[in-house]
Amino acid sequence: AIQMTQSPSSLSASVGDRVTITCRASQGIRNDLGWYQQKPGKAPKALIYGASRLESGVPSRFSGSGSGTDFTLTISSLQPEDFATYYCLQDFDYPLTFGGGTKVEIK
Amino acid sequence: QVQLQESGPGLVKPSETLSLTCSVSGGSISTYYWTWIRQPPGKGLEWIGYVYYSGNTNYNPSLKSRVTISVDTSKNQFSLKLSSVTAADTAMYYCARRVATNPRYAFDIWGQGSMVTVSS
Repeated sequence: AIQMTQSPSSLSASVGDRVTITCRASQGIRNDLGWYQQKPGKAPKALIYGASRLESGVPSRFSGSGSGTDFTLTISSLQPEDFATYYCLQDFDYPLTFGGGTKVEIK
Repeated sequence: QVQLQESGPGLVKPSETLSLTCSVSGGSISTYYWTWIRQPPGKGLEWIGYVYYSGNTNYNPSLKSRVTISVDTSKNQFSLKLSSVTAADTAMYYCARRVATNPRYAFDIWGQGSMVTVSS
């Protein structure tokens, strides 16, 4: 199975900060990567698919980039509602696998 | 809009079979890949497997010997059965719809989750 390694596992940031989360695949996955946001007690929500394409309704402050094995999720200006845990997901090959998650906390 | 709702027992005894159903409302179960994903308390997400509306399935090899996912198109439902459960199967179980239409591959709709505890 393809392993997805996210870093950092957690970070503290302030409202307005630029935040970057990285995800590395154990083998090349083209651009078959998605990002999901999960708030406490809630189901995950899709943010990005195809490494860089925003899901409908997702604010433009979220962006994704990367291809092959290295990917990033960037939040250009962190808002109060963005404090959550973020997961990457590779959908290049089965079994589909998630990264371990990055918890974004308030500084 | 399409909504998913999980249902099933919240407590299962060790060695027994966990059974959950996901009801799809607001749309047809035809097309799409209907998926189960779980999350142990305080941990990350694990893909369990999917059933296509035609009945084709694909399971995570780590669970394959114990998992069955099936679809009932007449009831607009799909189901998960996980046999021989242990405490390690204690988790929040989510059903989700997977869109797989190039270039969009995503779990775009999720249920609220069903917490299942394995304990005697």
